Amino acid sequence: AQSVTQLGSHVSVSEGALVLLRCNYSSSVPPYLFWYVQYPNQGLQLLLKYTTGATLVKGINGFEAEFKKSETSFHLTKPSAHMSDAAEYFCAVSDRFSGGYNKLIFGAGTRLAVHP
Amino acid sequence: DTGVSQNPRHKITKRGQNVTFRCDPISEHNRLYWYRQTLGQGPEFLTYFQNEAQLEKSRLLSDRFSAERPKGSFSTLEIQRTEQGDSAMYLCASSSLTYEQYFGPGTRLTVT
Repeated sequence: AQSVTQLGSHVSVSEGALVLLRCNYSSSVPPYLFWYVQYPNQGLQLLLKYTTGATLVKGINGFEAEFKKSETSFHLTKPSAHMSDAAEYFCAVSDRFSGGYNKLIFGAGTRLAVHP
Repeated sequence: DTGVSQNPRHKITKRGQNVTFRCDPISEHNRLYWYRQTLGQGPEFLTYFQNEAQLEKSRLLSDRFSAERPKGSFSTLEIQRTEQGDSAMYLCASSSLTYEQYFGPGTRLTVT
C-alpha cells in the first residue's frame, strides 16, 4: 500500500530564508506526486505536481520540488520565505495505474511558520 | 469557473442527529471526491464518483455514511446517528481528465 511521510510536523524559518519541506513516499511503482497548501479554515490549493517528464517541477508562489526516484523523495523548496507562506503544507501521492481516476493519499502535513 | 463550493461551512449537531452536506463541483468536472480531515492530520479519502456512479468507498465510510451524486452534478454526504468521532472537516474535490483535484473550502462538523 502507498504511504507518505512528511519529516517534521513543524518547520520555522526567518523571512527571506530557504524553505525546505521534506516528503518521502512508499510505493512499488513511482506514483504521481503533489504538494498542496492549506490556509486556516480553508480548503487545499495545489502548489505543484509531478506526473512525468522533467523531475524538477515549478509551481505557484515561487515553490518548486524535485522528484528523486532513487531516494523516493519529493521535497518542496522555496529560495526565500515570505510571511504569507505561513500555512500547512501537505504532500500527496496517487496511483499511476488507478484505472482512470486518482484518489489522493496524504501525508500528515507540515506547518510552516515564518518569523520576521 | 467559480470553483468548488460546499455548504454549510460549519455545522454543530448533537450526538445521534443526522446531518447532510452538499458539494457543488466545478461545472463539467465528471469526477468528484470526498475526504475527511481530522485535527492535525492530512485528509483521508472517503469516496469517489465518476458522473453519477459511486466507484469506490473507503473502509472509513461506515454504514452510517451515505453519499450520492444524482445526475452527475452536485453531491451530498449524509451521516446518520452522528458520533463524537465524526467531528472533522469534510472536504470535497473535483477533477476532469487531468490529475489535478480542486478542493472546496470544506464543511467543519462538530458533534457535541
